[in-house]
Amino acid sequence: EPEVTQTPSHQVTQMGQEVILRCVPISNHLYFYWYRQILGQKVEFLVSFYNNEISEKSEIFDDQFSVERPDGSNFTLKIRSTKLEDSAMYFCASSVLRGQDTQYFGPGTRLTVL
Amino acid sequence: AQSVTQLDSHVSVSEGTPVLLRCNYSSSYSPSLFWYVQHPNKGLQLLLKYTSAATLVKGINGFEAEFKKSETSFHLTKPSAHMSDAAEYFCVVRGGGNTGKLIFGQGTTLQVKP
Repeated sequence: EPEVTQTPSHQVTQMGQEVILRCVPISNHLYFYWYRQILGQKVEFLVSFYNNEISEKSEIFDDQFSVERPDGSNFTLKIRSTKLEDSAMYFCASSVLRGQDTQYFGPGTRLTVL
Repeated sequence: AQSVTQLDSHVSVSEGTPVLLRCNYSSSYSPSLFWYVQHPNKGLQLLLKYTSAATLVKGINGFEAEFKKSETSFHLTKPSAHMSDAAEYFCVVRGGGNTGKLIFGQGTTLQVKP
């Protein structure tokens, strides 16, 4: 069964450093998403992406964040200058369509900012 | 605005007894509602979804949920708990309109005792 994969599973970085989190969505899916979950808090929507552009983003997704689909398979989230409060589990998801369609989630990348 | 509230942060049951995880929603639209499960160190897996068809929705692993508009509830049930059901469960509503954004509840930890 096809699944969303994410690498790395755990990333440790120093405050101020740039990090890139990688995701490989399910191959025939067209919509891609990033969510995050700070320890002890709810899972929060960050951004959705379709046709090589952002279709929706939350207020969390400020100028420090960017997303890209650099090739036909990968979908990346870049944090330009990490802060302590960026420490969280980051989930990638994908769906065939937007609207009513089911989103399939990856296992997550745990980002720790020291 | 769409939102969900999971009424219990932690539920403990004995193996073989029924499971009830409670969720209330708030929506100005006809909602799309989901239950996702997260096992330790795993991604978020879709259990079931409601998208305005039958009000009783059957999911994987014997779980089901009933959409009750009059009570604005979407509780998750299972007749007989298994040890492997121990996990974190999330009630989720899709944001209004054609958005792909999912809005998560705070999660319920299900403990299953032998």
